[in-house]
Amino acid sequence: GNSVTQMEGPVTLSEEAFLTINCTYTATGYPSLFWYVQYPGEGLQLLLKATKADDKGSNKGFEATYRKETTSFHLEKGSVQVSDSAVYFCALSASGAGSYQLTFGKGTKLSVIP
Amino acid sequence: DGGITQSPKYLFRKEGQNVTLSCEQNLNHDAMYWYRQDPGQGLRLIYYSQIVNDFQKGDIAEGYSVSREKKESFPLTVTSAQKNPTAFYLCASRSPGLAGDTQYFGPGTRLTVL
Repeated sequence: GNSVTQMEGPVTLSEEAFLTINCTYTATGYPSLFWYVQYPGEGLQLLLKATKADDKGSNKGFEATYRKETTSFHLEKGSVQVSDSAVYFCALSASGAGSYQLTFGKGTKLSVIP
Repeated sequence: DGGITQSPKYLFRKEGQNVTLSCEQNLNHDAMYWYRQDPGQGLRLIYYSQIVNDFQKGDIAEGYSVSREKKESFPLTVTSAQKNPTAFYLCASRSPGLAGDTQYFGPGTRLTVL
């Protein structure tokens, strides 16, 4: 079956530090890959996505590249801010039977301190 | 504004009671989903519906029921048969067309069983 593994947190960084959150996946076929962000007490917001190999998704300074050869989709940001403190989820979408079910990693909590 | 609304934000239930969580969307999306989130866990799929009057079980459907009588609405009932219902429940809908694998989430309902 499909699965997503992402680095366990929590991750604590100082403001303006470089961020990497690792994500690897197992899937049949050619899934789409996503990063979602969840702020305390809220639902998930789509951060970025990539639909095929070598695609780079980007948004709000965050980037992730779909690497089929290493089955990875690592999230990066060059300079984090306090407002980036949240839980980040890596996910894949499988189109089996047209359902496009999302399979999620367990989430990585990021805390950015001033 | 287009979006997904969930109500109530917080819900308390006594053991042995059924409770219904509301999910409404005005995005004109055909597909809708219910997920459950537990602390430190990723999201797990409860039920999904790809079209009105049709729905399918997800990975953890036992103790839950749904209906899809209108395109805009996909309510979830947590029955007394659900052994551990305290969790954060998230509803999502999926966009059609070229972005057809992207799901958008509501703000969630936190259910606590007393």
